[in-house]
Amino acid sequence: AQTVTQSQPEMSVQEAETVTLSCTYDTSESDYYLFWYKQPPSRQMILVIRQEAYKQQNATENRFSVNFQKAAKSFSLKISDSQLGDAAMYFCAYRSGGAGGTSYGKLTFGQGTILTVHP
Amino acid sequence: SAVISQKPSRDICQRGTSLTIQCQVDSQVTMMFWYRQQPGQSLTLIATANQGSEATYESGFVIDKFPISRPNLTFSTLTVSNMSPEDSSIYLCSVRLAEGAGTQYFGPGTRLLVL
Repeated sequence: AQTVTQSQPEMSVQEAETVTLSCTYDTSESDYYLFWYKQPPSRQMILVIRQEAYKQQNATENRFSVNFQKAAKSFSLKISDSQLGDAAMYFCAYRSGGAGGTSYGKLTFGQGTILTVHP
Repeated sequence: SAVISQKPSRDICQRGTSLTIQCQVDSQVTMMFWYRQQPGQSLTLIATANQGSEATYESGFVIDKFPISRPNLTFSTLTVSNMSPEDSSIYLCSVRLAEGAGTQYFGPGTRLLVL
């Protein structure tokens, strides 16, 4: 079974600065997807960024980028120019890319990292 | 993307009663899921809602406690039966679109408190 580990329960950053959230995962599969979701106090889960395992290029979405190290099974999220609205719980998630099977379509989440942004 | 609505958004229930949560999507989706998020915890998959057939439950979740229906490609319900205070959680509907492989979207969640 796949596991996702976020070793930082809490992180903080000053507004306009950069912060990196860590995520490692364990899998024997070669085809999979990785995601970062944001959950603000409203509890709505918001997709921040996704990465396909077969792509070597790191995904980027505006101020959000990932450092995907497939061999090390590491998937960190970098938030540049942090804003007050970035304060939230961030979840790293894994999904198998293979069709069929008992894990098809299932997202496995890490424990989450609470990000605080200081003005 | 997809617009997902859930009803109710929150509820306070007495132990021993049941609550049915509805999930409606504005487009046809290939897969629908139900997750539970206990206070201060991460998300745990309850089951995959299968159209026209019985849901596929994860280990630790059973149909008698969490019956699920999915009559079509845009609608599903989750019932939390014979509730106890331990069922107090946020319940989230999640969907995977027919196109856009790999991306899953979440509804706003239903916050349930059982007294």
